[in-house]
Amino acid sequence: GEDVEQSLFLSVREGDSSVINCTYTDSSSTYLYWYKQEPGAGLQLLTYIFSNMDMKQDQRLTVLLNKKDKHLSLRIADTQTGDSAIYFCAELKAAGNKLTFGGGTRVLVKP
Amino acid sequence: SAVISQKPSRDICQRGTSLTIQCQVDSQVTMMFWYRQQPGQSLTLIATANQGSEATYESGFVIDKFPISRPNLTFSTLTVSNMSPEDSSIYLCSAGQGGGYTFGSGTRLTVV
Repeated sequence: GEDVEQSLFLSVREGDSSVINCTYTDSSSTYLYWYKQEPGAGLQLLTYIFSNMDMKQDQRLTVLLNKKDKHLSLRIADTQTGDSAIYFCAELKAAGNKLTFGGGTRVLVKP
Repeated sequence: SAVISQKPSRDICQRGTSLTIQCQVDSQVTMMFWYRQQPGQSLTLIATANQGSEATYESGFVIDKFPISRPNLTFSTLTVSNMSPEDSSIYLCSAGQGGGYTFGSGTRLTVV
């Protein structure tokens, strides 16, 4: 199966919280990342977490890491219409310093 | 985190021709990476470009099709050679290290 998996789609109402989930398989991953891609644009690094942490908060973003279950989540508080985009999680494998990306979750924020 | 300038941002090319994409980083970086994002898909790593050595290609990608240059620690180019419509994709470069890998804004390539 795929190294990094994400659900395809998430719909959320403006003002609610969004939670995007990701699972990975490589227990040796050192960093895990969340990127945002808006239509026609490149990838914007949102946040990252080191593998020995279990939580990181950055303004409206909260990253939770369950290393035992190899599960990563991104919570966006007070979701805005500008948060509509595709969100990719990625793991940095210890060997080769290469990023492996999930398939992306398309988030649609409804007014 | 490094800031990367990538160009061209988009191009429409005839089949059989080649296109060279450039990435300039605002600081010296050891490793740069080139990715392909096919329509509606995630990112796939093409190769890792190290200064002073040959690029390392991932399975399914070869140097003859995607030659890469890395003349110094702030610059790299990717050439898409002998293009066919199947090469129509977004191509992105990346650089960084553990605490943050950043990406160029991408090159949207359409081959007709």
